[in-house]
Amino acid sequence: EAQVTQNPRYLITVTGKKLTVTCSQNMNHEYMSWYRQDPGLGLRQIYYSMNVEVTDKGDVPEGYKVSRKEKRNFPLILESPSPNQTSLYFCASTKGLGQGAYEQYFGPGTRLTVT
Amino acid sequence: AQSVTQPDIHITVSEGASLELRCNYSYGATPYLFWYVQSPGQGLQLLLKYFSGDTLVQGIKGFEAEFKRSQSSFNLRKPSVHWSDAAEYFCAVGASNTGKLIFGQGTTLQVKP
Repeated sequence: EAQVTQNPRYLITVTGKKLTVTCSQNMNHEYMSWYRQDPGLGLRQIYYSMNVEVTDKGDVPEGYKVSRKEKRNFPLILESPSPNQTSLYFCASTKGLGQGAYEQYFGPGTRLTVT
Repeated sequence: AQSVTQPDIHITVSEGASLELRCNYSYGATPYLFWYVQSPGQGLQLLLKYFSGDTLVQGIKGFEAEFKRSQSSFNLRKPSVHWSDAAEYFCAVGASNTGKLIFGQGTTLQVKP
């Protein structure tokens, strides 16, 4: 089954404790991205990657890092989480650029709480 | 700047009634437009998309949307709402060549029995 998986689904942590949210897709998609969802703001892109070893900032990259060492995986790293990073996070993937680039497949989401 | 506005934060309709969710966008070129649905505790599911051609597009679950360039709108419609349609709905526009989707704030749909 074609899917995007994220782990963990729920995470409660404390300020400053480094964490990683994993994302994996089994569709051989080139393009992957991370979004955060906050009430009243919709989803906003954090980082994206057009292929292995190619990453770039989205609209709200501060406080986040990503890496793309393999095509299927795109982890989101919070080196020093802060309470304002409490949010619902979604990983997404798509085939590539052109019209099809925007047909994004979303993971189930990771709800992060930073105290 | 590219943006998407969903004017209605919350809408309540009775089961069996018709539904229209509004979406307005701001984008310089011909937009790629999408509607996604998010059921409680779930990820986002693509309902329908518009790239070009026929301005009335059909999607899954009986939804349709109409692209109106003159009004910069892409409203979502359904003739008869089912209780299972209760969810949050997001309109989005595909921006530039980065593959980024710009989302509206979302509209929460409540369905009354």
